[in-house]
Amino acid sequence: DAKTTQPTSMDCAEGRAANLPCNHSTISGNEYVYWYRQIHSQGPQYIIHGLKNNETNEMASLIITEDRKSSTLILPHATLRDTAVYYCIVRVENAGNMLTFGGGTRLMVKP
Amino acid sequence: DTAVSQTPKYLVTQMGNDKSIKCEQNLGHDTMYWYKQDSKKFLKIMFSYNNKELIINETVPNRFSPKSPDKAHLNLHINSLELGDSAVYFCASSRGGGGNTIYFGEGSWLTVV
Repeated sequence: DAKTTQPTSMDCAEGRAANLPCNHSTISGNEYVYWYRQIHSQGPQYIIHGLKNNETNEMASLIITEDRKSSTLILPHATLRDTAVYYCIVRVENAGNMLTFGGGTRLMVKP
Repeated sequence: DTAVSQTPKYLVTQMGNDKSIKCEQNLGHDTMYWYKQDSKKFLKIMFSYNNKELIINETVPNRFSPKSPDKAHLNLHINSLELGDSAVYFCASSRGGGGNTIYFGEGSWLTVV
């Protein structure tokens, strides 16, 4: 699976949009971009994934650049409960279905 | 109902002991996993089972032996526990292979003293 690069940490004001970037410049055509998060003392939680089109669900939006070398996870109205480590993972279909986690971005939402 | 449940949540044990962590999923998934998160917070895949068959076994000591009695259960047995085994162990499951979403349990905190 392609390696991803994320900032180590970010801050965001409560109620504002949190934009979390991820670089995946070596991504292959058949690799999806996945986002998970891990709130302190909990298991990782799926957020969203996409291949090349932008995606939106009840939790977040995923913006993937046209060349697919980077993406941004957007939490439109961050709350204190969104404080967590956010992982960007690129993953080949049928790769045994496993996820390879990097260091992630520690997002701190502040009042 | 918890989708992926693990027991025990906390376990403190002495070096050299043998212990097991149980995992059950009620999602009807046919693929289950064990991940380890060490003190540096990196999550690493240990094992992956599909329909009770081992499909991934990363570089894990032989002291770790997963057992899958049926598709809904994947237990982790650890022999001769060492200090370095102290970590959080996460069970997870998904439906089939490919790009399906993986659901994680809440973790089992193992401390070896």
